[in-house]
Amino acid sequence: AQSVTQLGSHVSVSEGALVLLRCNYSSSVPPYLFWYVQYPNQGLQLLLKYTSAATLVKGINGFEAEFKKSETSFHLTKPSAHMSDAAEYFCAVIYSGGGADGLTFGKGTHLIIQP
Amino acid sequence: KAGVTQTPRYLIKTRGQQVTLSCSPISGHRSVSWYQQTPGQGLQFLFEYFSETQRNKGNFPGRFSGRQFSNSRSEMNVSTLELGDSALYLCASSQDEGPDTQYFGPGTRLTVL
Repeated sequence: AQSVTQLGSHVSVSEGALVLLRCNYSSSVPPYLFWYVQYPNQGLQLLLKYTSAATLVKGINGFEAEFKKSETSFHLTKPSAHMSDAAEYFCAVIYSGGGADGLTFGKGTHLIIQP
Repeated sequence: KAGVTQTPRYLIKTRGQQVTLSCSPISGHRSVSWYQQTPGQGLQFLFEYFSETQRNKGNFPGRFSGRQFSNSRSEMNVSTLELGDSALYLCASSQDEGPDTQYFGPGTRLTVL
């Protein structure tokens, strides 16, 4: 079975500071990993995805994530936070063997940007 | 290309009623998945349809059902509504079934009174 753990339900950073949102996964087969962002009263927007090509994945809005198999992690980073980054972020996994359970999501991390 | 669209955006029903939600995928996408989002349980997979066939199903009671039409549009139905069914229902489309990238619609906010 696959699962995702996002450490920290809330993360607060100052504008201009580094953003680090943590995600650890559990999967018995090679996973496909995703980060999505959700703004209030909206659906999920894809930030980036890992599909077994490069381990460092660049996404939209300056975000990137690094797949580390040894640590079973896929942490999301952004060098300099902007006020518009305030939102809910979800890490998700689906294993390459098929989508029997669809996407499995973490509980989400609410990112707060302090001025 | 237009994104995933869902109708209606907001819905209020009473316990015991039934409801049908609609989803139009991105043009050319053949797979549609449905998710339920609640504050307590987070995002949970309901089911996936591909080429008018249900491919996968999450752990939800039989009151939750869906279908897909030949143009890939999908509907989900919830019968005998319960208070706990209040949630944001999200539809996602992808080109193929399984681990292909899923693109989400804005959701339908269902409130059960």
